[in-house]
Amino acid sequence: EPEVTQTPSHQVTQMGQEVILRCVPISNHLYFYWYRQILGQKVEFLVSFYNNEISEKSEIFDDQFSVERPDGSNFTLKIRSTKLEDSAMYFCASTVRGLDYGYTFGSGTRLTVV
Amino acid sequence: SQQGEEDPQALSIQEGENATMNCSYKTSINNLQWYRQNSGRGLVHLILIRSNEREKHSGRLRVTLDTSKKSSSLLITASRAADTASYFCATDRAGANSKLTFGKGITLSVRP
Repeated sequence: EPEVTQTPSHQVTQMGQEVILRCVPISNHLYFYWYRQILGQKVEFLVSFYNNEISEKSEIFDDQFSVERPDGSNFTLKIRSTKLEDSAMYFCASTVRGLDYGYTFGSGTRLTVV
Repeated sequence: SQQGEEDPQALSIQEGENATMNCSYKTSINNLQWYRQNSGRGLVHLILIRSNEREKHSGRLRVTLDTSKKSSSLLITASRAADTASYFCATDRAGANSKLTFGKGITLSVRP
Protein backbone atom coordinates (compact mmCIF):
# COMPACT_ATOMS: atom_id res chain seq x y z
CA GLU A 1 0.00 0.00 0.00
CA PRO A 2 1.35 3.47 -0.85
CA GLU A 3 2.87 5.37 2.03
CA VAL A 4 3.76 8.90 2.97
CA THR A 5 7.41 8.89 3.95
CA GLN A 6 8.90 11.34 6.41
CA THR A 7 12.52 11.95 7.26
CA PRO A 8 14.18 12.15 9.65
CA SER A 9 12.20 10.20 12.21
CA HIS A 10 13.81 12.17 15.02
CA GLN A 11 15.66 15.47 14.96
CA VAL A 12 17.31 17.22 17.86
CA THR A 13 18.26 20.84 17.30
CA GLN A 14 19.48 23.79 19.30
CA MET A 15 17.15 26.69 19.90
CA GLY A 16 17.52 29.28 17.16
CA GLN A 17 18.69 26.80 14.55
CA GLU A 18 16.90 26.15 11.29
CA VAL A 19 15.39 22.74 10.61
CA ILE A 20 13.93 21.21 7.49
CA LEU A 21 11.51 18.34 7.80
CA ARG A 22 11.03 16.27 4.69
CA CYS A 23 8.08 14.38 3.32
CA VAL A 24 7.41 12.35 0.21
CA PRO A 25 3.65 12.28 -0.35
CA ILE A 26 1.87 9.60 -2.33
CA SER A 27 2.59 10.23 -5.97
CA ASN A 28 -0.93 10.75 -7.33
CA HIS A 29 -2.12 12.83 -4.39
CA LEU A 30 -2.81 16.49 -4.97
CA TYR A 31 -3.29 17.99 -1.52
CA PHE A 32 -0.54 18.12 1.06
CA TYR A 33 -0.58 19.06 4.71
CA TRP A 34 1.55 19.53 7.76
CA TYR A 35 0.15 18.89 11.21
CA ARG A 36 1.87 18.82 14.55
CA GLN A 37 1.18 17.14 17.87
CA ILE A 38 2.76 18.40 21.03
CA LEU A 39 3.25 15.51 23.44
CA GLY A 40 -0.05 14.48 24.97
CA GLN A 41 -2.03 17.14 23.15
CA LYS A 42 -4.25 17.46 20.11
CA VAL A 43 -3.14 17.09 16.54
CA GLU A 44 -3.06 20.64 15.18
CA PHE A 45 -3.32 21.81 11.60
CA LEU A 46 -0.41 23.90 10.37
CA VAL A 47 -0.74 24.35 6.62
CA SER A 48 -2.32 22.97 3.48
CA PHE A 49 -0.74 23.08 0.05
CA TYR A 50 -2.33 22.61 -3.33
CA ASN A 51 -1.27 23.45 -6.86
CA ASN A 52 2.14 24.61 -5.67
CA GLU A 53 0.86 27.17 -3.23
CA ILE A 54 -0.40 27.45 0.30
CA SER A 55 -4.18 27.15 0.37
CA GLU A 56 -4.65 27.67 4.09
CA LYS A 57 -2.50 28.14 7.16
CA SER A 58 -3.20 28.30 10.86
CA GLU A 59 -2.17 30.96 13.32
CA ILE A 60 0.63 28.65 14.42
CA PHE A 61 2.17 28.89 10.95
CA ASP A 62 3.86 32.25 11.41
CA ASP A 63 6.75 33.82 9.54
CA GLN A 64 9.16 31.30 11.03
CA PHE A 65 7.52 28.52 9.04
CA SER A 66 7.61 27.89 5.33
CA VAL A 67 6.74 25.03 3.01
CA GLU A 68 8.08 24.06 -0.34
CA ARG A 69 7.61 21.41 -2.98
CA PRO A 70 10.98 21.82 -4.64
CA ASP A 71 11.01 19.00 -7.14
CA GLY A 72 7.50 17.63 -7.61
CA SER A 73 7.96 14.79 -5.16
CA ASN A 74 9.33 16.17 -1.90
CA PHE A 75 7.30 18.41 0.38
CA THR A 76 9.29 20.21 3.04
CA LEU A 77 8.54 22.18 6.17
CA LYS A 78 11.17 24.64 7.26
CA ILE A 79 11.35 26.27 10.65
CA ARG A 80 13.79 29.15 10.42
CA SER A 81 14.64 29.81 14.04
CA THR A 82 13.40 27.07 16.31
CA LYS A 83 11.97 27.73 19.74
CA LEU A 84 11.60 25.34 22.65
CA GLU A 85 7.84 25.31 22.10
CA ASP A 86 8.33 23.97 18.58
CA SER A 87 9.20 20.60 20.10
CA ALA A 88 6.51 18.25 18.82
CA MET A 89 5.74 15.44 16.42
CA TYR A 90 5.29 16.83 12.93
CA PHE A 91 3.10 14.86 10.57
CA CYS A 92 2.89 15.20 6.85
CA ALA A 93 -0.31 14.05 5.14
CA SER A 94 -1.62 13.85 1.63
CA THR A 95 -4.92 13.09 -0.01
CA VAL A 96 -6.13 12.58 -3.54
CA ARG A 97 -8.70 15.29 -3.27
CA GLY A 98 -9.37 17.82 -0.55
CA LEU A 99 -12.85 16.73 0.37
CA ASP A 100 -14.47 13.41 1.08
CA TYR A 101 -11.31 11.37 1.08
CA GLY A 102 -9.32 10.06 3.98
CA TYR A 103 -5.84 11.37 4.48
CA THR A 104 -2.69 9.30 4.49
CA PHE A 105 -0.33 10.38 7.23
CA GLY A 106 3.37 9.76 7.49
CA SER A 107 4.91 8.28 10.63
CA GLY A 108 6.05 11.70 11.75
CA THR A 109 9.24 13.49 12.69
CA ARG A 110 9.84 13.99 16.37
CA LEU A 111 11.47 17.41 16.71
CA THR A 112 13.22 18.16 19.98
CA VAL A 113 14.48 21.69 20.49
CA VAL A 114 17.02 22.04 23.28
CA SER B 1 -14.75 26.39 20.88
CA GLN B 2 -13.44 22.89 20.41
CA GLN B 3 -14.27 20.92 17.28
CA GLY B 4 -14.18 17.17 17.58
CA GLU B 5 -14.35 16.33 21.24
CA GLU B 6 -14.22 12.65 22.05
CA ASP B 7 -15.48 10.85 25.10
CA PRO B 8 -14.59 9.02 27.16
CA GLN B 9 -10.99 10.19 27.36
CA ALA B 10 -9.85 6.72 28.31
CA LEU B 11 -11.49 3.34 27.97
CA SER B 12 -10.31 -0.01 29.27
CA ILE B 13 -12.06 -3.20 28.21
CA GLN B 14 -11.48 -6.93 28.07
CA GLU B 15 -10.56 -8.61 24.82
CA GLY B 16 -13.69 -9.73 23.02
CA GLU B 17 -15.83 -6.90 24.34
CA ASN B 18 -17.13 -4.08 22.20
CA ALA B 19 -15.68 -0.59 22.50
CA THR B 20 -17.81 2.47 21.87
CA MET B 21 -16.23 5.88 21.50
CA ASN B 22 -18.12 9.12 20.99
CA CYS B 23 -17.27 12.38 19.32
CA SER B 24 -19.08 15.70 19.33
CA TYR B 25 -18.43 18.71 17.17
CA LYS B 26 -19.76 22.24 16.89
CA THR B 27 -19.81 23.43 13.28
CA SER B 28 -21.34 22.05 10.09
CA ILE B 29 -19.18 19.43 8.43
CA ASN B 30 -18.52 17.86 5.06
CA ASN B 31 -17.44 14.62 6.62
CA LEU B 32 -16.17 13.09 9.83
CA GLN B 33 -13.24 10.74 9.97
CA TRP B 34 -11.80 8.43 12.60
CA TYR B 35 -8.09 7.79 12.94
CA ARG B 36 -6.03 5.46 15.09
CA GLN B 37 -2.62 6.24 16.51
CA ASN B 38 -0.39 3.65 18.10
CA SER B 39 1.99 5.05 20.67
CA GLY B 40 4.64 7.23 19.06
CA ARG B 41 3.45 6.44 15.56
CA GLY B 42 1.55 8.18 12.79
CA LEU B 43 -2.19 8.45 12.30
CA VAL B 44 -3.93 5.70 10.40
CA HIS B 45 -7.19 6.48 8.64
CA LEU B 46 -9.93 4.10 9.72
CA ILE B 47 -13.19 5.27 8.25
CA LEU B 48 -14.88 8.33 6.78
CA ILE B 49 -18.57 9.14 6.96
CA ARG B 50 -20.08 11.89 4.87
CA SER B 51 -22.52 14.41 6.28
CA ASN B 52 -25.41 12.85 4.32
CA GLU B 53 -24.69 9.37 5.68
CA ARG B 54 -25.97 8.00 8.96
CA GLU B 55 -24.07 4.77 9.37
CA LYS B 56 -21.09 3.04 7.83
CA HIS B 57 -19.34 -0.26 8.37
CA SER B 58 -15.83 -1.44 7.71
CA GLY B 59 -14.87 -4.84 9.04
CA ARG B 60 -15.22 -4.71 12.83
CA LEU B 61 -15.81 -0.97 12.75
CA ARG B 62 -19.17 0.71 12.75
CA VAL B 63 -19.50 4.46 12.71
CA THR B 64 -22.66 6.48 13.08
CA LEU B 65 -23.27 10.14 12.47
CA ASP B 66 -26.09 12.27 13.83
CA THR B 67 -25.80 15.71 12.27
CA SER B 68 -28.78 17.01 14.26
CA LYS B 69 -26.87 16.30 17.47
CA LYS B 70 -23.48 16.99 15.92
CA SER B 71 -22.17 13.71 17.19
CA SER B 72 -20.62 10.50 15.97
CA SER B 73 -19.78 7.18 17.51
CA LEU B 74 -17.21 4.57 16.62
CA LEU B 75 -17.93 1.00 17.64
CA ILE B 76 -15.21 -1.64 17.52
CA THR B 77 -16.73 -5.08 17.88
CA ALA B 78 -14.98 -8.12 19.32
CA SER B 79 -11.99 -6.08 20.40
CA ARG B 80 -8.46 -7.47 20.32
CA ALA B 81 -5.35 -6.54 22.26
CA ALA B 82 -3.98 -5.12 18.99
CA ASP B 83 -6.77 -2.53 19.02
CA THR B 84 -5.02 -0.83 21.93
CA ALA B 85 -4.28 2.67 20.65
CA SER B 86 -5.51 6.25 20.72
CA TYR B 87 -8.50 7.03 18.56
CA PHE B 88 -9.25 10.45 17.15
CA CYS B 89 -12.22 11.87 15.39
CA ALA B 90 -11.52 14.59 12.88
CA THR B 91 -13.92 16.83 11.05
CA ASP B 92 -13.66 18.38 7.63
CA ARG B 93 -15.63 21.58 8.08
CA ALA B 94 -18.24 22.64 5.56
CA GLY B 95 -17.40 25.71 3.57
CA ALA B 96 -13.74 25.71 4.50
CA ASN B 97 -10.69 24.74 2.57
CA SER B 98 -10.01 21.13 3.20
CA LYS B 99 -8.28 20.60 6.49
CA LEU B 100 -8.99 18.33 9.40
CA THR B 101 -9.73 19.48 12.92
CA PHE B 102 -8.90 16.78 15.45
CA GLY B 103 -10.26 16.03 18.87
CA LYS B 104 -8.06 15.25 21.84
CA GLY B 105 -8.42 11.53 21.35
CA ILE B 106 -9.51 8.52 23.33
CA THR B 107 -7.01 6.08 24.76
CA LEU B 108 -8.34 2.55 24.35
CA SER B 109 -6.73 -0.28 26.29
CA VAL B 110 -7.81 -3.81 25.47
CA ARG B 111 -6.76 -6.28 28.12
CA PRO B 112 -5.87 -9.76 26.86
